[in-house]
Amino acid sequence: GAGVSQSPRYKVAKRGQDVALRCDPISGHVSLFWYQQALGQGPEFLTYFQNEAQLDKSGLPSDRFFAERPEGSVSTLKIQRTQQEDSAVYLCASSQWTGSYEQYFGPGTRLTVT
Amino acid sequence: DAKTTQPPSMDCAEGRAANLPCNHSTISGNEYVYWYRQIHSQGPQYIIHGLKNNETNEMASLIITEDRKSSTLILPHATLRDTAVYYCIVAYSGAGSYQLTFGKGTKLSVIP
Repeated sequence: GAGVSQSPRYKVAKRGQDVALRCDPISGHVSLFWYQQALGQGPEFLTYFQNEAQLDKSGLPSDRFFAERPEGSVSTLKIQRTQQEDSAVYLCASSQWTGSYEQYFGPGTRLTVT
Repeated sequence: DAKTTQPPSMDCAEGRAANLPCNHSTISGNEYVYWYRQIHSQGPQYIIHGLKNNETNEMASLIITEDRKSSTLILPHATLRDTAVYYCIVAYSGAGSYQLTFGKGTKLSVIP
């Protein structure tokens, strides 16, 4: 079956531009997560949705980062006024149940801010 | 969440068993051990998890010591496609956002 998909796979943005990254989770999955992965590091948690409710956004690094999942399926991570330190791979993951650490990851979006 | 310690890198000959260790000496009674791997340029992939009993699935086996302070992931017959970074994660089975806390993992290189 279809896995988690993310688009675009690669994004180059000039410093100060806004970007929007899309995640299509596995159909019917209740939970959705965003992670940020810097080069050579493990992924770091950004935010978590249960259906359309954003229950945890403690990992968002600044108020320039905003995520939404309005209908409880597709999610968008938006970064305003991008900075060079935002360059990273942004990973989306979904899980079937609330309370599951068995998460299915997408391929990620590699963001490069120049 | 309990912290984990893994060797930064390991080599394994193709066809041999790969044994990846993880120390989690501060694990508490209601924390599970999860293993994920990340092949280059892909997202992490769930492998296996356990609480205190040994577990086996089609991908790997997980051996957890009796005191639960350490565990070993075993890939019984490593192939070149198993070359990846392997992450050992300790996760609390209770209320929360169920975020995964990744460390730096072990980079496993399977050698032909």
